[in-house]
Amino acid sequence: QKEVEQDPGPLSVPEGAIVSLNCTYSNSAFQYFMWYRQYSRKGPELLMYTYSSGNKEDGRFTAQVDKSSKYISLFIRDSQPSDSATYLCAMKSIQGAQKLVFGQGTRLTINP
Amino acid sequence: GAVVSQHPSWVICKSGTSVKIECRSLDFQATTMFWYRQFPKQSLMLMATSNEGSKATYEQGVEKDKFLINHASLTLSTLTVTSAHPEDSSFYICSAADRATSHGYTFGSGTRLTVV
Repeated sequence: QKEVEQDPGPLSVPEGAIVSLNCTYSNSAFQYFMWYRQYSRKGPELLMYTYSSGNKEDGRFTAQVDKSSKYISLFIRDSQPSDSATYLCAMKSIQGAQKLVFGQGTRLTINP
Repeated sequence: GAVVSQHPSWVICKSGTSVKIECRSLDFQATTMFWYRQFPKQSLMLMATSNEGSKATYEQGVEKDKFLINHASLTLSTLTVTSAHPEDSSFYICSAADRATSHGYTFGSGTRLTVV
């Protein structure tokens, strides 16, 4: 079993829909959780960074962490065609510069 | 915001030659940089962790003599693919951890290497 599980999709939704992306993990030591967006042939771009459990909102994006369930989510409201990309969850256990553990990435397409 | 510059963005080389990829943190100091390899439609595969002024730590299965990593300063790390072969063709990406915050890391734009 992988440390981080993420449904690779592909996921296709109409423009304006609310998108829910999820990851589960097995290592209870993970405390720092990130969501990255990656466009084709580009490097990943950090969208959200959260510590421990709780919610964090930034514009149309909301990240949720439920450590008791070992489950994290990224919600995208009012989805736009420009949101079409691969979304990767990532996590680590300590504050310092430690290697990230990534999910497989979910390919998302927003249809106009 | 934090910016990581990676060059070149794409390179084609002949089999048997070496290729150097540079990764620079432009507006912050990065004590640690990471090098990844990504195959089409797959997630990132960590190759090595590079710490300024010390030897890189390679992941299991990554040939350190083939993928030479140098992190000579707090803003520059290089990956050299030595004696490249077609199977080394891939998308290589670096990321850097801000020395001040070590929050979510910033990634470079990637380098697409094609060995012919």
